[in-house]
Amino acid sequence: DAKTTQPPSMDCAEGRAANLPCNHSTISGNEYVYWYRQIHSQGPQYIIHGLKNNETNEMASLIITEDRKSSTLILPHATLRDTAVYYCIVDNNNDMRFGAGTRLTVKP
Amino acid sequence: NAGVMQNPRHLVRRRGQEARLRCSPMKGHSHVYWYRQLPEEGLKFMVYLQKENIIDESGMPKERFSAEFPKEGPSILRIQQVVRGDSAAYFCASSPTRRDYGYTFGSGTRLTVV
Repeated sequence: DAKTTQPPSMDCAEGRAANLPCNHSTISGNEYVYWYRQIHSQGPQYIIHGLKNNETNEMASLIITEDRKSSTLILPHATLRDTAVYYCIVDNNNDMRFGAGTRLTVKP
Repeated sequence: NAGVMQNPRHLVRRRGQEARLRCSPMKGHSHVYWYRQLPEEGLKFMVYLQKENIIDESGMPKERFSAEFPKEGPSILRIQQVVRGDSAAYFCASSPTRRDYGYTFGSGTRLTVV
């Protein structure tokens, strides 16, 4: 029973920015937004997380709207190796529950 | 600086046998989580453990499945009397705390019941 809504699939051209949206309109004040990805059948990989402020690390940027009801994960220069299922998760304290995610396909 | 270690990577069991899946968390991580992924489906939370304690087992099937994380040694997910429907990838993750870090996942154990 995921608390997030993501598009089932997206395409992105290699070298371009990939912007993956996530709606979490029922998020509460103490819940974090986490992003993971799963490449083929490997174990999921943590990407980034945030509470209120925008965040950036070596992998991606996370933009959270001011009302916190939605967020966007940005991969600034997508490569073929970024093809994966991307999961947006809202976590309170014990509920890292994965939804269906967005299947991102990076095309040459 | 090894990551989360799961073994075996692949496990084949006949119906009715027991399956034991092991997970060694990253050094310094005291929180362990188990997930199951059926073929072509998403990850389903099973259980969350800290050392010697089960914190949340709301995702565990009521029968045949159990998990432990002893004071010494790896976390164990045990499936008794396996059935074909138990065939799946089982992933373990660990974290140092609950809120401030993401989870680090292992490579999973692929269980096949024949």
